[in-house]
Amino acid sequence: KNEVEQSPQNLTAQEGEFITINCSYSVGISALHWLQQHPGGGIVSLFMLSSGKKKHGRLIATINIQEKHSSLHITASHPRDSAVYICAVLDDMRFGAGTRLTVKP
Amino acid sequence: ETGVTQSPTHLIKTRGQQVTLRCSSQSGHNTVSWYQQALGQGPQFIFQYYREEENGRGNFPPRFSGLQFPNYSSELNVNALELDDSALYLCASSQGARGVEAFFGQGTRLTVV
Repeated sequence: KNEVEQSPQNLTAQEGEFITINCSYSVGISALHWLQQHPGGGIVSLFMLSSGKKKHGRLIATINIQEKHSSLHITASHPRDSAVYICAVLDDMRFGAGTRLTVKP
Repeated sequence: ETGVTQSPTHLIKTRGQQVTLRCSSQSGHNTVSWYQQALGQGPQFIFQYYREEENGRGNFPPRFSGLQFPNYSSELNVNALELDDSALYLCASSQGARGVEAFFGQGTRLTVV
């Protein structure tokens, strides 16, 4: 069992929809990271969270330390949001398998 | 643009050969971590270098080795390549080894034939 679990594995949405990707972890953490990976392979760090909530543009990330659960939300989704989203506990070098998001126009 | 540069971007090697991949870390960063990502999977940690010393290693055999230079750039060397080594190799740089944001390069896609 992976210590960092993501759901869903694949997600298809229509442009404009509100999207939620979930991440559960079983290790103790100091911070959880949300990463975005486009088809070319490069990874961009979206958020580093140790508590509460962070917002950047249309992206919102929340974390509940007691429940060991984090969510990434995308409001008003757009086709350019299509990518693989990965949650990671970088201090322990643990990654989720990723959620492949496709947003259709 | 993260300021982390990997080279080459693509590479094809034959089974049994050796390969060296390079990573230039972001200015001011003293830590480089290397990951292997097989198709359709999340990255797997290979090892981390902090101030030129290995600072942790994942479950990879000794034929995966690395180096960090005084300017904090880094190399990943893989000897005796196997077909299963075909993957995207990612490096990430950070200022410090824990509790900090990491910046990833674009990756090197290695194909072993």
